[in-house]
Amino acid sequence: DIQMTQSPSSLSASVGDRVTITCQASQDISIFLNWFQQKPGKAPKLLIYDASNLKTGVPSRFSGSGSGTDFTFSISSLQPEDIATYYCQQYDNLLLITFGQGTRLEIK
Amino acid sequence: EVQLVESGGGLVKPGGSLRLSCAASGFTFSNAWMSWVRQAPGKGLEWVGRIKSKTDGGATDYAAPVKGRFTISRDDSKTTLSLQMNSLKTEDTAVYYCRVAAAGSIDYWGQGTLVTVSS
Repeated sequence: DIQMTQSPSSLSASVGDRVTITCQASQDISIFLNWFQQKPGKAPKLLIYDASNLKTGVPSRFSGSGSGTDFTFSISSLQPEDIATYYCQQYDNLLLITFGQGTRLEIK
Repeated sequence: EVQLVESGGGLVKPGGSLRLSCAASGFTFSNAWMSWVRQAPGKGLEWVGRIKSKTDGGATDYAAPVKGRFTISRDDSKTTLSLQMNSLKTEDTAVYYCRVAAAGSIDYWGQGTLVTVSS
């Protein structure tokens, strides 16, 4: 199985800061990576698909990059409503799906 | 509008069984690969398993912790996904989500149903 190593596990930042989360796959997954946002008591929400594509309706301050084994998720200017836990997830129709451990984002 | 509505959660004793259902609407269910994802209290997301569409063979795949105990099935005539959970363990306690995802940005989740395994 492919392991996804996500870091950091928690992050505290100020409104307006740039925030970056990384995710490393244990083997090459090409661009088969999603990024999700989850708020307490809610189902996860897809933000980024195919590593770098912004889902329609998601604010442009969110972005993703990377391919192969190393991926990055960024928020260019943190807003109060961005407080949530973020997860990466690899997908490959030939492989089992796995999620990263999650990054809990808090306002400083 | 895509809707996924889970049901069947509840309290069950260790070693017991439970069957979850997910009623789907708003998309062509028979063409969709469906999956279950769970989240233990205060923990991260864990993929449970998936079932392919019948046109793609209908095969199922499971995560290691549930393989041999959980069975995913589908009824395309009723647009319903099911998760049969046997030999339940305390570590299976979680909110269970039904999910449909496809190429690109197609990704929908249900609201989740809580399963508590406790004596």
